Amino acid sequence: DAGVIQSPRHEVTEMGQEVTLRCKPISGHNSLFWYRQTMMRGLELLIYFNNNVPIDDSGMPEDRFSAKMPNASFSTLKIQPSEPRDSAVYFCASSADRVIYEQYFGPGTRLTVT
Amino acid sequence: ELKVEQNPLFLSMQEGKNYTIYCNYSTTSDRLYWYRQDPGKSLESLFVLLSNGAVKQEGRLMASLDTKARLSTLHITAAVHDLSATYFCAVGHSGGYQKVTFGTGTKLQVIP
Repeated sequence: DAGVIQSPRHEVTEMGQEVTLRCKPISGHNSLFWYRQTMMRGLELLIYFNNNVPIDDSGMPEDRFSAKMPNASFSTLKIQPSEPRDSAVYFCASSADRVIYEQYFGPGTRLTVT
Repeated sequence: ELKVEQNPLFLSMQEGKNYTIYCNYSTTSDRLYWYRQDPGKSLESLFVLLSNGAVKQEGRLMASLDTKARLSTLHITAAVHDLSATYFCAVGHSGGYQKVTFGTGTKLQVIP
Protein backbone atom coordinates (compact mmCIF):
# COMPACT_ATOMS: atom_id res chain seq x y z
CA ASP A 1 0.00 0.00 0.00
CA ALA A 2 1.66 3.21 -1.20
CA GLY A 3 -0.34 5.49 1.05
CA VAL A 4 -1.51 8.95 0.03
CA ILE A 5 0.88 10.53 -2.45
CA GLN A 6 1.36 14.28 -2.76
CA SER A 7 3.47 16.33 -5.11
CA PRO A 8 5.47 18.42 -5.05
CA ARG A 9 6.82 18.03 -1.52
CA HIS A 10 8.19 21.57 -1.53
CA GLU A 11 7.19 24.53 -3.65
CA VAL A 12 8.68 27.99 -3.63
CA THR A 13 7.04 30.56 -5.85
CA GLU A 14 6.72 34.26 -6.26
CA MET A 15 3.64 36.23 -5.38
CA GLY A 16 1.18 36.31 -8.26
CA GLN A 17 2.17 32.98 -9.72
CA GLU A 18 -0.16 30.02 -10.10
CA VAL A 19 0.47 27.04 -7.86
CA THR A 20 -0.93 23.54 -8.37
CA LEU A 21 -0.73 20.89 -5.69
CA ARG A 22 -1.46 17.27 -6.52
CA CYS A 23 -2.78 14.32 -4.58
CA LYS A 24 -3.30 10.63 -5.25
CA PRO A 25 -5.50 8.98 -2.58
CA ILE A 26 -5.19 5.43 -1.34
CA SER A 27 -6.71 3.02 -3.82
CA GLY A 28 -10.26 2.11 -2.82
CA HIS A 29 -10.79 5.20 -0.70
CA ASN A 30 -13.70 7.30 -1.91
CA SER A 31 -13.31 10.43 0.20
CA LEU A 32 -10.52 12.97 -0.19
CA PHE A 33 -9.71 15.94 2.01
CA TRP A 34 -7.48 18.99 1.55
CA TYR A 35 -6.15 20.64 4.73
CA ARG A 36 -3.91 23.60 5.38
CA GLN A 37 -1.66 23.84 8.43
CA THR A 38 -0.11 27.01 9.78
CA MET A 39 1.23 28.00 13.18
CA MET A 40 -1.37 30.72 13.54
CA ARG A 41 -4.50 28.85 12.43
CA GLY A 42 -3.62 25.23 13.08
CA LEU A 43 -5.08 22.54 10.86
CA GLU A 44 -7.96 23.74 8.70
CA LEU A 45 -10.16 21.73 6.36
CA LEU A 46 -10.32 23.46 2.99
CA ILE A 47 -12.53 21.11 0.99
CA TYR A 48 -13.54 17.49 0.83
CA PHE A 49 -14.82 15.22 -1.91
CA ASN A 50 -16.89 12.07 -1.75
CA ASN A 51 -16.98 9.88 -4.86
CA ASN A 52 -15.24 12.69 -6.77
CA VAL A 53 -17.96 15.22 -5.90
CA PRO A 54 -17.17 18.26 -3.73
CA ILE A 55 -19.26 17.96 -0.56
CA ASP A 56 -18.05 20.83 1.58
CA ASP A 57 -15.90 23.69 0.35
CA SER A 58 -16.76 26.11 3.14
CA GLY A 59 -13.14 26.19 4.24
CA MET A 60 -11.78 27.44 0.94
CA PRO A 61 -10.41 30.87 1.84
CA GLU A 62 -11.40 32.78 -1.27
CA ASP A 63 -11.88 32.60 -5.00
CA ARG A 64 -8.16 32.33 -5.57
CA PHE A 65 -8.39 28.73 -4.36
CA SER A 66 -9.96 25.99 -6.43
CA ALA A 67 -9.95 22.20 -6.19
CA LYS A 68 -10.86 19.44 -8.60
CA MET A 69 -11.15 15.70 -8.51
CA PRO A 70 -11.53 14.48 -12.09
CA ASN A 71 -11.34 10.81 -11.12
CA ALA A 72 -11.04 8.54 -8.10
CA SER A 73 -7.26 8.54 -8.14
CA PHE A 74 -6.33 12.18 -8.58
CA SER A 75 -7.08 15.59 -7.14
CA THR A 76 -5.58 19.06 -7.50
CA LEU A 77 -5.63 22.18 -5.38
CA LYS A 78 -4.85 25.34 -7.31
CA ILE A 79 -4.02 28.80 -6.03
CA GLN A 80 -4.14 31.60 -8.57
CA PRO A 81 -2.74 34.15 -7.96
CA SER A 82 -0.68 33.10 -4.96
CA GLU A 83 0.05 35.48 -2.07
CA PRO A 84 2.60 35.33 0.77
CA ARG A 85 -0.16 34.58 3.27
CA ASP A 86 -0.83 31.32 1.43
CA SER A 87 2.48 29.99 2.71
CA ALA A 88 1.66 26.86 4.70
CA VAL A 89 1.83 23.09 4.64
CA TYR A 90 -0.99 21.59 2.60
CA PHE A 91 -2.05 18.06 3.44
CA CYS A 92 -4.21 15.69 1.47
CA ALA A 93 -5.98 12.85 3.28
CA SER A 94 -8.24 10.04 2.15
CA SER A 95 -10.69 7.67 3.80
CA ALA A 96 -13.06 4.87 2.96
CA ASP A 97 -16.82 4.81 3.39
CA ARG A 98 -16.84 2.57 6.42
CA VAL A 99 -18.02 3.12 9.98
CA ILE A 100 -14.59 4.15 11.15
CA TYR A 101 -14.01 6.83 8.44
CA GLU A 102 -10.39 6.99 9.49
CA GLN A 103 -8.40 9.55 7.51
CA TYR A 104 -4.93 8.74 6.23
CA PHE A 105 -2.69 11.70 5.56
CA GLY A 106 -0.17 12.28 2.83
CA PRO A 107 3.30 13.68 3.50
CA GLY A 108 2.20 17.25 2.74
CA THR A 109 3.40 20.01 0.43
CA ARG A 110 5.29 22.85 2.02
CA LEU A 111 4.42 25.99 0.06
CA THR A 112 6.41 29.19 0.35
CA VAL A 113 5.22 32.27 -1.51
CA THR A 114 7.75 35.10 -1.61
CA GLU B 1 -20.84 24.63 14.81
CA LEU B 2 -18.60 21.95 16.23
CA LYS B 3 -15.74 23.32 18.31
CA VAL B 4 -12.90 21.23 19.69
CA GLU B 5 -10.66 22.35 22.51
CA GLN B 6 -7.51 20.66 23.70
CA ASN B 7 -5.55 21.34 26.81
CA PRO B 8 -2.89 21.89 27.63
CA LEU B 9 -1.43 23.42 24.47
CA PHE B 10 2.10 22.74 25.64
CA LEU B 11 3.31 20.09 28.01
CA SER B 12 6.83 19.60 29.23
CA MET B 13 7.31 16.54 31.36
CA GLN B 14 10.09 14.39 32.70
CA GLU B 15 10.67 10.85 31.61
CA GLY B 16 8.87 8.35 33.80
CA LYS B 17 6.03 10.66 34.72
CA ASN B 18 2.33 10.27 33.91
CA TYR B 19 0.11 12.90 32.38
CA THR B 20 -3.22 13.38 30.61
CA ILE B 21 -4.23 15.45 27.60
CA TYR B 22 -7.86 16.53 27.41
CA CYS B 23 -10.09 17.01 24.39
CA ASN B 24 -13.48 18.68 24.82
CA TYR B 25 -15.99 19.16 22.05
CA SER B 26 -19.17 21.17 21.77
CA THR B 27 -21.77 19.03 19.95
CA THR B 28 -22.83 15.41 19.81
CA SER B 29 -20.49 13.12 17.94
CA ASP B 30 -20.03 9.39 17.52
CA ARG B 31 -16.41 9.43 16.32
CA LEU B 32 -13.23 10.71 17.85
CA TYR B 33 -9.67 10.30 16.62
CA TRP B 34 -6.23 10.87 18.04
CA TYR B 35 -3.29 11.68 15.79
CA ARG B 36 0.40 12.20 16.34
CA GLN B 37 2.57 14.61 14.37
CA ASP B 38 6.36 14.71 14.59
CA PRO B 39 8.09 17.99 13.64
CA GLY B 40 8.09 18.50 9.89
CA LYS B 41 6.13 15.30 9.33
CA SER B 42 2.61 14.27 8.51
CA LEU B 43 -0.16 13.13 10.84
CA GLU B 44 -0.22 9.53 11.97
CA SER B 45 -3.40 7.93 13.26
CA LEU B 46 -3.15 6.59 16.81
CA PHE B 47 -6.66 5.73 17.96
CA VAL B 48 -10.25 5.66 16.73
CA LEU B 49 -12.96 5.81 19.41
CA LEU B 50 -16.50 5.07 18.32
CA SER B 51 -18.65 4.59 21.39
CA ASN B 52 -19.23 5.89 24.87
CA GLY B 53 -16.80 4.32 27.29
CA ALA B 54 -14.44 3.17 24.54
CA VAL B 55 -10.87 2.69 25.67
CA LYS B 56 -7.92 1.96 23.42
CA GLN B 57 -4.32 1.35 24.47
CA GLU B 58 -1.08 1.15 22.58
CA GLY B 59 2.14 0.98 24.53
CA ARG B 60 2.35 3.90 26.93
CA LEU B 61 -0.66 5.68 25.45
CA MET B 62 -4.28 5.10 26.40
CA ALA B 63 -7.27 6.95 24.97
CA SER B 64 -10.80 7.02 26.29
CA LEU B 65 -14.10 8.57 25.28
CA ASP B 66 -17.04 9.86 27.33
CA THR B 67 -19.68 10.96 24.84
CA LYS B 68 -22.02 12.21 27.54
CA ALA B 69 -19.41 14.60 28.86
CA ARG B 70 -18.16 15.26 25.31
CA LEU B 71 -14.66 14.53 26.53
CA SER B 72 -11.79 12.36 25.43
CA THR B 73 -8.52 11.86 27.23
CA LEU B 74 -5.11 10.69 26.09
CA HIS B 75 -3.19 9.33 29.04
CA ILE B 76 0.57 8.96 28.94
CA THR B 77 2.13 6.44 31.30
CA ALA B 78 5.80 6.58 32.27
CA ALA B 79 6.71 8.96 29.46
CA VAL B 80 9.80 8.38 27.34
CA HIS B 81 11.60 10.82 25.05
CA ASP B 82 10.29 9.07 21.92
CA LEU B 83 6.79 10.24 22.79
CA SER B 84 7.77 13.87 22.18
CA ALA B 85 5.45 15.11 19.42
CA THR B 86 2.29 17.11 18.87
CA TYR B 87 -0.93 15.23 19.57
CA PHE B 88 -4.22 16.17 17.95
CA CYS B 89 -7.73 15.03 18.65
CA ALA B 90 -10.30 15.22 15.85
CA VAL B 91 -14.05 14.94 16.26
CA GLY B 92 -16.39 13.64 13.61
CA HIS B 93 -19.40 15.64 12.49
CA SER B 94 -22.74 13.92 12.92
CA GLY B 95 -25.18 13.37 10.09
CA GLY B 96 -23.36 10.79 8.04
CA TYR B 97 -20.61 13.06 6.84
CA GLN B 98 -16.93 12.20 7.03
CA LYS B 99 -15.90 15.71 7.98
CA VAL B 100 -13.92 16.11 11.19
CA THR B 101 -12.78 19.13 13.14
CA PHE B 102 -9.31 19.07 14.65
CA GLY B 103 -8.30 20.42 18.02
CA THR B 104 -5.47 22.91 18.41
CA GLY B 105 -2.98 20.20 19.26
CA THR B 106 -0.87 19.56 22.36
CA LYS B 107 2.87 19.84 21.95
CA LEU B 108 4.48 17.32 24.26
CA GLN B 109 8.12 17.51 25.21
CA VAL B 110 9.53 14.70 27.30
CA ILE B 111 12.74 15.66 29.04
CA PRO B 112 15.29 12.93 29.79
